[in-house]
Amino acid sequence: DADVTQTPRNRITKTGKRIMLECSQTKGHDRMYWYRQDPGLGLRLIYYSFDVKDINKGEISDGYSVSRQAQAKFSLSLESAIPNQTALYFCATSDHRTSETHNEQFFGPGTRLTVL
Amino acid sequence: GQQVMQIPQYQHVQEGEDFTTYCNSSTTLSNIQWYKQRPGGHPVFLIQLVKSGEVKKQKRLTFQFGEAKKNSSLHITATQTTDVGTYFCAGPIRYSSASKIIFGSGTRLSIRP
Repeated sequence: DADVTQTPRNRITKTGKRIMLECSQTKGHDRMYWYRQDPGLGLRLIYYSFDVKDINKGEISDGYSVSRQAQAKFSLSLESAIPNQTALYFCATSDHRTSETHNEQFFGPGTRLTVL
Repeated sequence: GQQVMQIPQYQHVQEGEDFTTYCNSSTTLSNIQWYKQRPGGHPVFLIQLVKSGEVKKQKRLTFQFGEAKKNSSLHITATQTTDVGTYFCAGPIRYSSASKIIFGSGTRLSIRP
């Protein structure tokens, strides 16, 4: 079984719709992240969370919101989707329970979102 | 603002040739990580470098961290088709009281068999 899962894997929606992407992990990691990937732009950090109910903005948080109600789950919402939010979205986790060093991140399989 | 820059954006090589990607930061990094993403896949952690001037090897892959801890490189010797993918560096950038990982834009490696 995959340690970091994302649902849905693919989604097509229309401009103005509210969309929620879910991420779950069974690794017991404390930190979780949401990234978006666009061709030629690499991975850009949207939001990250160090613990339950801890939320921090990343590089490109405008137009997005997140929720971390449980350690294993981190959801990303697009309140009113727009076409330039069409991208591949990745969730990731890392374990910092014993070290403050930025440890390796484990990525989910990604969600491909298309906003028409 | 603080950035992690990576070059080249693309590299197309003949199988058996060497490949190098370079990563540069505008600020000193406490450590740097490297990830590989196969086509259609997700990024997978390769290695983390922490010490100034550190060099680590994984089979045909050699990773270096600069003396000033502001640059890093990944060198692949005698590329194989299994090396195809995009290679990302990532470094922690400090913002106020916290720091977060910033990824470079990646170098996409394609190989002619």
